Amino acid sequence: AQSVTQLDSQVPVFEEAPVELRCNYSSSVSVYLFWYVQYPNQGLQLLLKYLSGSTLVKGINGFEAEFNKSQTSFHLRKPSVHISDTAEYFCAVTPSGNYKLSFGAGTTVTVRA
Amino acid sequence: DAGVTQSPTHLIKTRGQQVTLRCSPKSGHDTVSWYQQALGQGPQFIFQYYEEEERQRGNFPDRFSGHQYPNYSSELNVNALLLGDSALYLCASSLVSVSNSPLHFGNGTRLTVT
Repeated sequence: AQSVTQLDSQVPVFEEAPVELRCNYSSSVSVYLFWYVQYPNQGLQLLLKYLSGSTLVKGINGFEAEFNKSQTSFHLRKPSVHISDTAEYFCAVTPSGNYKLSFGAGTTVTVRA
Repeated sequence: DAGVTQSPTHLIKTRGQQVTLRCSPKSGHDTVSWYQQALGQGPQFIFQYYEEEERQRGNFPDRFSGHQYPNYSSELNVNALLLGDSALYLCASSLVSVSNSPLHFGNGTRLTVT
């Protein structure tokens, strides 16, 4: 079975500052990793995914994440946030080739002016 | 191009009742997955349907059942509702023939059990 731990439940950040959201996972098999964003009263939107290849993955809205197999981590970063980045962010994992996602508990990002 | 649509958006039911939630996948998608998201938590996988059959199931009791129709739309049924079933229910669709096809989520149905 796979599991995901998001190390920060809430991250307050000032506009134009950088942000990093931490995600660790556990799995005995190869996995695919994802970051999703959820805006209030909406579903989940895919930010980026790691399937294989380069460990640095670039996604939408200026986000990027780095896969570290030895540390079983997949941290999400953005060099400069905007007010519109205020949302809930979820890290998710699934065994390679599978669609059964296991999600972390989420990190609430609040961007202040 | 319509994305994943779910109905209704909100629903209030009483303990012991039954509920049916509906999902239309994104155009061209053939696989539908259902997730339960309790308040303040991440989504939990309920089950996945492809070719009108349940392919995978998460750790949910038999009170949770589903169906997929030939047009790929899907229903989630929950019997004998409990207070703990109150949650946002998310439907996600994908295309099984495309390797690593990402999931597209709907906006969910907010179920409140009183």
